[in-house]
Amino acid sequence: DGGITQSPKYLFRKEGQNVTLSCEQNLNHDAMYWYRQDPGQGLRLIYYSQIVNDFQKGDIAEGYSVSREKKESFPLTVTSAQKNPTAFYLCASSIAPTGPNTEAFFGQGTRLTVV
Amino acid sequence: KQEVTQIPAALSVPEGENLVLNCSFTDSAIYNLQWFRQDPGKGLTSLLLIQSSQREQTSGRLNASLDKSSGRSTLYIAASQPGDSATYLCAVGETSYDKVIFGPGTSLSVIP
Repeated sequence: DGGITQSPKYLFRKEGQNVTLSCEQNLNHDAMYWYRQDPGQGLRLIYYSQIVNDFQKGDIAEGYSVSREKKESFPLTVTSAQKNPTAFYLCASSIAPTGPNTEAFFGQGTRLTVV
Repeated sequence: KQEVTQIPAALSVPEGENLVLNCSFTDSAIYNLQWFRQDPGKGLTSLLLIQSSQREQTSGRLNASLDKSSGRSTLYIAASQPGDSATYLCAVGETSYDKVIFGPGTSLSVIP
């Protein structure tokens, strides 16, 4: 089955630690995205990548880092510089370049909690 | 900067009612608009995609319209069912920055 897989589903982080969220897709999509969702605030874009070895900051990139070494994978690292990392993180992918038929597909999300 | 808003933030209706969810966006330079459904603690499921040149799309009991010039989209749900209870989000694909911007969502509760 084609789709996007995020892991783990739940993740707990101690303050001061870096953690990495995994996102893998087998849809052969060039574009991948990371969003953060907080209660009542919808989705906010963290980083996005239109092609391998290239990525751009979204609206709330501070405290996060990404890599895009493979087309299928777009891991997100939440660093200790992110002061309020507790949230639900969603990964998405789509064809690129984007156009009228571009449909975004989402993973099931990772819930990160700082303990 | 593109801003997407959704009204109402929450909606509770009795089963069987027809209902309309609203989405507004500030910049009409979009290539499409998508409506998604999100169940609690889950990812997003795409419901309908409207290309910027289209006026509406239909899928079963769902009908989405797009008026790009006025920056508005509506999602019409006919004969609502308890299984429709979820959060509905709209998202616009931005032409200028090649990214997708989401609204905050409308939380729908359909009462049996």
